[in-house]
Amino acid sequence: KQEVTQIPAALSVPEGENLVLNCSFTDSAIYNLQWFRQDPGKGLTSLLLIQSSQREQTSGRLNASLDKSSGRSTLYIAASQPGDSATYLCAGVTQGGSEKLVFGKGTKLTVNP
Amino acid sequence: GAVVSQHPSRVICKSGTSVKIECRSLDFQATTMFWYRQFPKQSLMLMATSNEGSKATYEQGVEKDKFLINHASLTLSTLTVTSAHPEDSSFYICSARDVGAAGDLGGISYEQYFGPGTRLTVT
Repeated sequence: KQEVTQIPAALSVPEGENLVLNCSFTDSAIYNLQWFRQDPGKGLTSLLLIQSSQREQTSGRLNASLDKSSGRSTLYIAASQPGDSATYLCAGVTQGGSEKLVFGKGTKLTVNP
Repeated sequence: GAVVSQHPSRVICKSGTSVKIECRSLDFQATTMFWYRQFPKQSLMLMATSNEGSKATYEQGVEKDKFLINHASLTLSTLTVTSAHPEDSSFYICSARDVGAAGDLGGISYEQYFGPGTRLTVT
């Protein structure tokens, strides 16, 4: 059974700091991977999608990479801002024709002004 | 593009009653929609996969007679929580896959677009 671990569970940093969030899968057979942001009491906002032939994606201050050999992904946030404070979730679709997204529990990020 | 809506955003119902939640893809067609449940400080757990025109596929441990799913059109799926109990109180989120989108290798795209969620409270 595919399980997703996100480390750390919570992170508090001062504004302007660069940071890395980690995500790992017990089964490294990952077809694609998505990183999401969730604000308290809200739905999910898709941040980055790494598709099957890709190894990383960038959007603004965000960069996500995927190492399929190890089943690990990282989300890099540059020059963090208080508005980045949220819970960040990673989720992956494993190979084998399944469309199911398996989610981690998330990393709760707080960026202090 | 790729907007998914849910209605209602919040609902409070009494124990024993039923409540229906709608999930709509607003600007694309979705042959497949997914229903998730999220308890406080927990991650999203897939409840069922809803396929247009056919029966939903439920995950292990999810009661199909309690959580009725109907996917009657390419833009609408509904989740009905029947005989609701306080332990059904949760945040329900749907997602949809764009039938017209292609993956990077020319196959289907597995990208899912998520709705804003529905907060259900059963008293």
